[in-house]
Amino acid sequence: SQQGEEDPQALSIQEGENATMNCSYKTSINNLQWYRQNSGRGLVHLILIRSNEREKHSGRLRVTLDTSKKSSSLLITASRAADTASYFCATGGAAGNKLTFGGGTRVLVKP
Amino acid sequence: NAGVTQTPKFRVLKTGQSMTLLCAQDMNHEYMYWYRQDPGMGLRLIHYSVGEGTTAKGEVPDGYNVSRLKKQNFLLGLESAAPSQTSVYFCASNGQGTNTGELFFGEGSRLTVL
Repeated sequence: SQQGEEDPQALSIQEGENATMNCSYKTSINNLQWYRQNSGRGLVHLILIRSNEREKHSGRLRVTLDTSKKSSSLLITASRAADTASYFCATGGAAGNKLTFGGGTRVLVKP
Repeated sequence: NAGVTQTPKFRVLKTGQSMTLLCAQDMNHEYMYWYRQDPGMGLRLIHYSVGEGTTAKGEVPDGYNVSRLKKQNFLLGLESAAPSQTSVYFCASNGQGTNTGELFFGEGSRLTVL
């Protein structure tokens, strides 16, 4: 079973708009990570947020974490066509040895 | 640095055949992982290793075996391939465990079992 579930499953926006996707999880976590996957490629790490953090920024990315609701969101501001990809959240537990991935959100940014 | 390299990139097998996927990393990472990715299912962990000579089962280990004889290599074996093992397989590595850092992924190996 998957720990993280992303919502929505797919998202289509115009270039310049913001894209927001959400991740919900079921059990306690040590950290939550977001990855991007371009079509036919491997996953690339975007950002890691620890369980004691509430918000983190990296360039045009903003991640929030609400441990009381067991949820996280990824915001991509001023989207570009190059942001077209699938985005996955992954949760790390206390053991620290592995990540559990969600099903992903497919984002299409139209020029 | 090449990072994480997977071979082969594509393979077609017949049911019952065996094969081995090779993952090599040049980052001196302790932790290595094999995931499979199926449409709509995200990535599911098959097996992982926390160091040379160690292996552990993940979420979906049945039908697969692994070995970590050298720190830089992590092999995934299918002894008797089944159509349900048609998938894209990703290897990943990590230096200090996923509590502190990111996974570095290979480009994937697409396996089709007929």
